[in-house]
Amino acid sequence: AQSVTQLGSHVSVSEGALVLLRCNYSSSVPPYLFWYVQYPNQGLQLLLKYTSAATLVKGINGFEAEFKKSETSFHLTKPSAHMSDAAEYFCAVSKETSGSRLTFGEGTQLTVNP
Amino acid sequence: NAGVTQTPKFQVLKTGQSMTLQCAQDMNHEYMSWYRQDPGMGLRLIHYSVGAGITDQGEVPNGYNVSRSTTEDFPLRLLSAAPSQTSVYFCASSALPSGSYNEQFFGPGTRLTVL
Repeated sequence: AQSVTQLGSHVSVSEGALVLLRCNYSSSVPPYLFWYVQYPNQGLQLLLKYTSAATLVKGINGFEAEFKKSETSFHLTKPSAHMSDAAEYFCAVSKETSGSRLTFGEGTQLTVNP
Repeated sequence: NAGVTQTPKFQVLKTGQSMTLQCAQDMNHEYMSWYRQDPGMGLRLIHYSVGAGITDQGEVPNGYNVSRSTTEDFPLRLLSAAPSQTSVYFCASSALPSGSYNEQFFGPGTRLTVL
């Protein structure tokens, strides 16, 4: 079975500060990992994905994540937070490279303070 | 392209009532799926389909039925609604799973309340 755990259901940062959202995974097979963002009252949008190519993955809106097998982690970072980054972020894992049948983490609500 | 559309956006039901949540996509995607989103639990897979006439259960299928008569549509049926089914429901679609990554596209969601 595979699962993901997101540490911290709420994260608050100041505008311009580093954003770090934590995700740890558990998988019996090589995992394929994803970060999605959900803005209020909207569906999910893919931020970035790891599908066994480069371990440092760059996504949209200046976000990036690093796959660390030794730590079973896939933390999401952004050097400088913007007010528009306020949203809920979900880490997800799939055992299929196609990204189907996703297993999601609990979500982290990011607040950006002026 | 409209992408993935879901109707209705909001729905209130009484316990025991039935209803169908509609999902349609115009991207000719073979793979479609339904998730429910509950606070503190992320999204959980209810049912999925890899093509017309083919459906399978996900993580939390109980209380829900699906069918796939066309490539475009994947309705989710609640035969006898229960308060535990109060949730936000998302439909997603992608090209058929193969050896490479296919992005899943999510609809805007249906917010369902069962009283």
